[in-house]
Amino acid sequence: AQTVTQSQPEMSVQEAETVTLSCTYDTSESDYYLFWYKQPPSRQMILVIRQEAYKQQNATENRFSVNFQKAAKSFSLKISDSQLGDAAMYFCAYRRVMDSNYQLIWGAGTKLIIKP
Amino acid sequence: NAGVTQTPKFRILKIGQSMTLQCTQDMNHNYMYWYRQDPGMGLKLIYYSVGAGITDKGEVPNGYNVSRSTTEDFPLRLELAAPSQTSVYFCASKIRDREAFFGQGTRLTVV
Repeated sequence: AQTVTQSQPEMSVQEAETVTLSCTYDTSESDYYLFWYKQPPSRQMILVIRQEAYKQQNATENRFSVNFQKAAKSFSLKISDSQLGDAAMYFCAYRRVMDSNYQLIWGAGTKLIIKP
Repeated sequence: NAGVTQTPKFRILKIGQSMTLQCTQDMNHNYMYWYRQDPGMGLKLIYYSVGAGITDKGEVPNGYNVSRSTTEDFPLRLELAAPSQTSVYFCASKIRDREAFFGQGTRLTVV
């Protein structure tokens, strides 16, 4: 069975600095997707970034980028120039490409605190 | 475009009571999901549906029921509420290989 582990329950960073959130996963599949979702206090789940396992190039979205290490089964999220609005819970999630029901497996989340 | 709408946002239930959490999406998505989120945990899949008239169990279905009579609606039913069902519930929808859209959640407390 696939599992997703986020080993940092909480992280804090000074505004404008860079922070990296860790995620590891376990799977025997070769084709899969990995996601980072943001959950602000409003509780809405917002997709931050998505990575296809077959792509060697790391995904980026503005200030958000990932470090995808397929062999190590590691998928960290880097947030550059942290802003107060980045404060939220961040969840790492996994999905098999061959899952016709598109089910996501979720990590426990990391609470990100931004210090002004 | 309202997206995914969940009602109610908050609810307190007594042990043994029943209730239905409503979920509606207006994006014509065929896939819909119900998750629960316990403190310090990731989301766990309760039930999902791949289209009207089709539902299936997820990881934690016990104590819940669903129906999908229309593409838009996917209600979640709790028949005999138990304290273990205290959680935040999320409904999500998607179409094929696109991103999932989430509702804002329902915070349920069973006392």
